[in-house]
Amino acid sequence: GEDVEQSLFLSVREGDSSVINCTYTDSSSTYLYWYKQEPGAGLQLLTYIFSNMDMKQDQRLTVLLNKKDKHLSLRIADTQTGDSAIYFCAESGPGGATNKLIFGTGTLLAVQP
Amino acid sequence: DGGITQSPKYLFRKEGQNVTLSCEQNLNHDAMYWYRQDPGQGLRLIYYSQIVNDFQKGDIAEGYSVSREKKESFPLTVTSAQKNPTAFYLCASSSRRQGHQPQHFGDGTRLSIL
Repeated sequence: GEDVEQSLFLSVREGDSSVINCTYTDSSSTYLYWYKQEPGAGLQLLTYIFSNMDMKQDQRLTVLLNKKDKHLSLRIADTQTGDSAIYFCAESGPGGATNKLIFGTGTLLAVQP
Repeated sequence: DGGITQSPKYLFRKEGQNVTLSCEQNLNHDAMYWYRQDPGQGLRLIYYSQIVNDFQKGDIAEGYSVSREKKESFPLTVTSAQKNPTAFYLCASSSRRQGHQPQHFGDGTRLSIL
C-alpha cells in the first residue's frame, strides 16, 4: 500500500545545513512535495520535484530524489531560527493525480541559536 | 490578495452536536479538499471535490459531510456520529488547469470537545 515515512525530529545549530529525509512506496508517483507548517498554521508549499528529475535547487533549498531507493531529501542551507517548523513530505497519487496526496508524519526541525 | 480562508480558527463542540467548518477560496480553483491532522500523524483526506455539485469520500469520511454548491466554498460538517472529532482541520484547493497544479492550504480550524 501507499506509505510515506519520515523521522520525527531533527535538531541543528543556526548556520548549519539541515537534511530532512523521506521514503515513499508508490513508484508510480509523479510528483513529490515538501510542505512547511509553522505552529498553529496551515501548510506552506516549499518546493516539489517531478519524478524524472534527480535534483532541484531553489535558493537555500535543495531537493534530491533517488527513484531506485524511493528516497527523497530536503536540504536547507544556512539554517535559520525562522526555519524551525514541521516539514511534511508528500507524494502524488498514481498518474500524478494531485487529488490524492499521501503525506508523511512530518519532521519537527528545531534550530538552536 | 488571493487565498484560502478558514473560519473559525477555534471551535468547540458539545456532545451530540453537529458543527460546520467554513472554507472559502478566491483563487478561482476548481478542486477543494478537507484534511484532518492529529498530533504526530500526517494529514488524512476526509473529502474532496473537483467540481461544483460533486464530491468524493477520502480515506476517513465517516462522521463527516460536505457540500459544494459554489465554486468558492466547501464547508465541512462534523456530525455527532464522529466520536473523536478533536483535531486540526485543514482545507486546501488546487487548479485543474492543464499541467501540474499543487495544493495550497488555509490556516486551519482547531476543533475541541467541551
